Formats: sequence, structure tokens, C-alpha cells
Amino acid sequence: GENVEQHPSTLSVQEGDSAVIKCTYSDSASNYFPWYKQELGKGPQLIIDIRSNVGEKKDQRIAVTLNKTAKHFSLHITETQPEDSAVYFCADGGTRGGATNKLIFGTGTLLAVQP
Amino acid sequence: GAVVSQHPSRVICKSGTSVKIECRSLDFQATTMFWYRQFPKQSLMLMATSNEGSKATYEQGVEKDKFLINHASLTLSTLTVTSAHPEDSSFYICSARGSGISYNEQFFGPGTRLTVL
Repeated sequence: GENVEQHPSTLSVQEGDSAVIKCTYSDSASNYFPWYKQELGKGPQLIIDIRSNVGEKKDQRIAVTLNKTAKHFSLHITETQPEDSAVYFCADGGTRGGATNKLIFGTGTLLAVQP
Repeated sequence: GAVVSQHPSRVICKSGTSVKIECRSLDFQATTMFWYRQFPKQSLMLMATSNEGSKATYEQGVEKDKFLINHASLTLSTLTVTSAHPEDSSFYICSARGSGISYNEQFFGPGTRLTVL
């Protein structure tokens, strides 16, 4: 079945540095890829997503890149701040208008931003 | 926009009792809602998918008679954990997908921490 690999599982950076989290998916038909941030004891929050008609999307300090040929996508956080510390999940969101509504989640990355 | 609430945020119950968790989409109509459970330091595990007005679709290994799901309206879905046992203790999270959305955009609630004594 479909699966999503996510690396690294933990990431520690100094405040102000950049952080990159990578995911690889298996279903070549998928065309929607969201990223979620989950703080301790809270539900996941959608922070950015990308659709397969573009290779990159940026929102202030956060960007996501997509390589459909290689079937991987990455989250880039620049100028990290302590409040960026959380667990980040990538997901394979399937196909537009597809029969399944499932999100296939990665295993998560615990990001720690050291002040 | 796209706010999803859950109630209660945490609940402690005795073994053998039933617990109901509500999930509401506050500012949009959700034709599809999802229920997940999450164990400490793990990813989200989809339990079931519910569409308004129809029976829920459960993932393999999830007991439908134990985890009762009702999606009675376009803004409310409920999960009832029946005859709860300590192994049911977990973080339960719902998400909602709006009507007319072509991509699989889901918005999550804040979660419910269930502790079964």
C-alpha cells in the first residue's frame, strides 16, 4: 500500500538557522501534499501545502518543494525561532477528486530550536 | 476560517463506561469527517471516515461496535468509545473536510485526551 517516509525523526537547530525535513511517497498518482505542525498536547495545524502543478510554494519563512519525478517533497523553515519547536508531519493527500480521502502521514519530525 | 473544535478536551473515566467525543466544524460545512488516534511519540492513525448521513467506514483492525461514529449533520460528528478499557487511553483527534473541496484539505480539531482508569 501507499506509505510516506519522513526524515529526520529528530532535528535540533540553533535559533536563526534553517531546518529542512524531507518526505518520500510511493503513489505516483498523488498530487496533494500538506504539512502539519503539532505542538505538545494539541491537534495538528496545517501550515502549508503544495499541489503537483507547481514545484515550490512559499509562505514567509516556510517553503515546500516538490519533485514528482523522484516522488519526494521537503519542508524548509528559514530563520528558525523557538516557537517553531514542534513535531512536523508530512502527508500524502492522494489525488484531486480521488475516491479516497485518506491522508497518509509520515512518521513525524521533532524539531527543537535552541535559543 | 476552517476551525474545528472538539469536546471535551480531556476526559477521565472508569473502565467499562462509555465516553462520547464531539467534533464540530465551526465555520464551514464538513461533508466528511475523520477520526484518528495518536499514541505518545507516534504518528496519527486513521480510525474511520464518516460522511454526513451515511455509515462510517472503518479502517482495518478498528472495531466498529466499540468505536461508534455518528455524523448527523454537516457540522457535527461524534465518536463514542463503548465499554472503555485502559488500552483505549489515547489522544483522539478529528478532522474535517469541507464540501466542494477538490483536494484533500483536512483541518484538525485540538484533540481529546482520554484516560481510562
